Amino acid sequence: DAGVIQSPRHEVTEMGQEVTLRCKPISGHNSLFWYRQTMMRGLELLIYFNNNVPIDDSGMPEDRFSAKMPNASFSTLKIQPSEPRDSAVYFCASRPTGSSYNSPLHFGNGTRLTVT
Amino acid sequence: AQSVAQPEDQVNVAEGNPLTVKCTYSVSGNPYLFWYVQYPNRGLQFLLKYITGDNLVKGSYGFEAEFNKSQTSFHLKKPSALVSDSALYFCAVRDGLGGNNRLAFGKGNQVVVIP
Repeated sequence: DAGVIQSPRHEVTEMGQEVTLRCKPISGHNSLFWYRQTMMRGLELLIYFNNNVPIDDSGMPEDRFSAKMPNASFSTLKIQPSEPRDSAVYFCASRPTGSSYNSPLHFGNGTRLTVT
Repeated sequence: AQSVAQPEDQVNVAEGNPLTVKCTYSVSGNPYLFWYVQYPNRGLQFLLKYITGDNLVKGSYGFEAEFNKSQTSFHLKKPSALVSDSALYFCAVRDGLGGNNRLAFGKGNQVVVIP
């Protein structure tokens, strides 16, 4: 079990550039979550997918953010154009297929995004 | 909407002393409560959860937490802290009302165990 894999680990970009964060959930997990962590706001849920379908995207801050899950083993979070206030650590988490809503989430190690 | 409060930014404790990390919650239905721990440059790891039954739940690494419905609290405890317990601890809650799948996290408490 390789765990949830996120790439890149660190991303530094200039304001206005497009940023794409990637996530590979654990095999056999069909729920996938994107979270953002900042000092000011803590850990915020951006969006989650069930069976590759977006279920709740109410946490996505604005239209500059978009997320896709084209198949069960891959998801992307895209920011276009990026702004300095998007600087944060972005986490992907997954949960096993068939598990209840109370089953623990399995987190990746995160992508630290810095927008200058 | 569900929410969690972790009132202290940082908790300092001497190695070998009891450790307590406080958490209070707010939900409309039944609360489902969780604790996660985050080590530097890592993702969150699950420690324990309360769903139903015994108010005292035991989890990984010797941690336990007590659910108190009247005080809407779910404090994390460890009888004897280790230096390796130094980390960021997150309390989280899911509101059981309406089939809600959202997990709301607190801002986290930095625990520093002093040798």
